[in-house]
Amino acid sequence: DGGITQSPKYLFRKEGQNVTLSCEQNLNHDAMYWYRQDPGQGLRLIYYSQIVNDFQKGDIAEGYSVSREKKESFPLTVTSAQKNPTAFYLCASTAASGAYEQYFGPGTRLTVT
Amino acid sequence: GQSLEQPSEVTAVEGAIVQINCTYQTSGFYGLSWYQQHDGGAPTFLSYNALDGLEETGRFSSFLSRSDSYGYLLLQELQMKDSASYFCAVVSSGGYQKVTFGTGTKLQVIP
Repeated sequence: DGGITQSPKYLFRKEGQNVTLSCEQNLNHDAMYWYRQDPGQGLRLIYYSQIVNDFQKGDIAEGYSVSREKKESFPLTVTSAQKNPTAFYLCASTAASGAYEQYFGPGTRLTVT
Repeated sequence: GQSLEQPSEVTAVEGAIVQINCTYQTSGFYGLSWYQQHDGGAPTFLSYNALDGLEETGRFSSFLSRSDSYGYLLLQELQMKDSASYFCAVVSSGGYQKVTFGTGTKLQVIP
């Protein structure tokens, strides 16, 4: 079955540590996205990538970094510079022609204390 | 920039019909999408409207009026499993097809 996997589902880190969230897709989608969701809020775009080796900042990129070395993979690093990293992180992908229909992974809930 | 408004909460009775409204402000508008998200889960795509009018998919329908910058999601024959958050999302131009999500409407279906 095609889909998006994110791991781990729950992640706990101490303040000051960098942490990398995994996102893998086997849908053969060109575009991939990272969103952050806070309680009672919508999804805010962190980074997106339309093709391998290229990515762009979204609305809230400060304190985050990404890489896109393979079409299937788009890992997100939450750095110690992110002031309020505790949140639910969602990875998504779309076919090149259809940003309107985003396929989401199950999400990673990050807690930083 | 883009902004979307939708009610924060809606309660409806099982078997009834409920309408969730969404108004938006954006430049370079392409269309309006709707997503469903159960607590703790991932959003799943429900529908997309690029043109004015009603799109029907089973019990769910979505409507768009581009001139009014307004859309709605209509859920018929409500079931308990429809209790979830529903997000509208504007697709607009911006170098790529940018998607901006609303803050969501939490629907509670009661017996």
